[in-house]
Amino acid sequence: QSALTQPASVSGSPGQSITISCTGTSSDVGGYNYVSWYQQHPGKAPKLMIYDVSNRPSGVSNRFSGSKSGNTASLTISGLQAEDEADYYCSSYTSSSTLGFGGGTKLTVL
Amino acid sequence: QLQLQESGPGLVKPSETLSLTCTVSGGSISSSSYYWGWIRQPPGKGLEWIGSIYYSGSTYYNPSLKSRVTISVDTSKNQFSLKLSSVTAADTAVYYCARSVSRITIFGVVIISYFDYWGQGTLVTVSS
Repeated sequence: QSALTQPASVSGSPGQSITISCTGTSSDVGGYNYVSWYQQHPGKAPKLMIYDVSNRPSGVSNRFSGSKSGNTASLTISGLQAEDEADYYCSSYTSSSTLGFGGGTKLTVL
Repeated sequence: QLQLQESGPGLVKPSETLSLTCTVSGGSISSSSYYWGWIRQPPGKGLEWIGSIYYSGSTYYNPSLKSRVTISVDTSKNQFSLKLSSVTAADTAVYYCARSVSRITIFGVVIISYFDYWGQGTLVTVSS
């Protein structure tokens, strides 16, 4: 059982915006600003998309944004493109210097 | 450009020990502010953090795997390694090595945060 809860799937049409949620507790998501998001295409290694809740690494499109409210973090993708179709995982630092991942969300671009 | 590459047997027998090595190139494993970690992904399932190590040898492990996991580092070879003992079919997964950015709070607590560089992953199957 994953430490963080994500919806199993989300979908959207090209050009639309979607949001993926990541719900934890006050011991992880709610307690620290160390939430990150990863994109994974089939057969590939995960790619960092967002770190420290809302920061984008160099080279990541500004269509990707992150936020947090209470114990829930969110990844928003605006202007959906076919290439955004992938699995997305959230991760958070937890107490005792450990890390937890969400169960993953499959994004389908219709 | 930093690169990480996993290596090791692709098939391990039940009850034996899984051993993998990650070779880091394009940068030093002895760089401060970074921990080096292992993450796994069973076929068709999500990611699971296994543990992380600093170049000094300081380690942090997933509590659910801690009793079976040992992560070590060899700075002379720019490598770090994973050993997982008493494996079962449930340990069948793609194993990734990755670099994570770490911080230290004013209270001396290590924060292992995001993974910015990943290896390509290696599939390890546990089967007789």
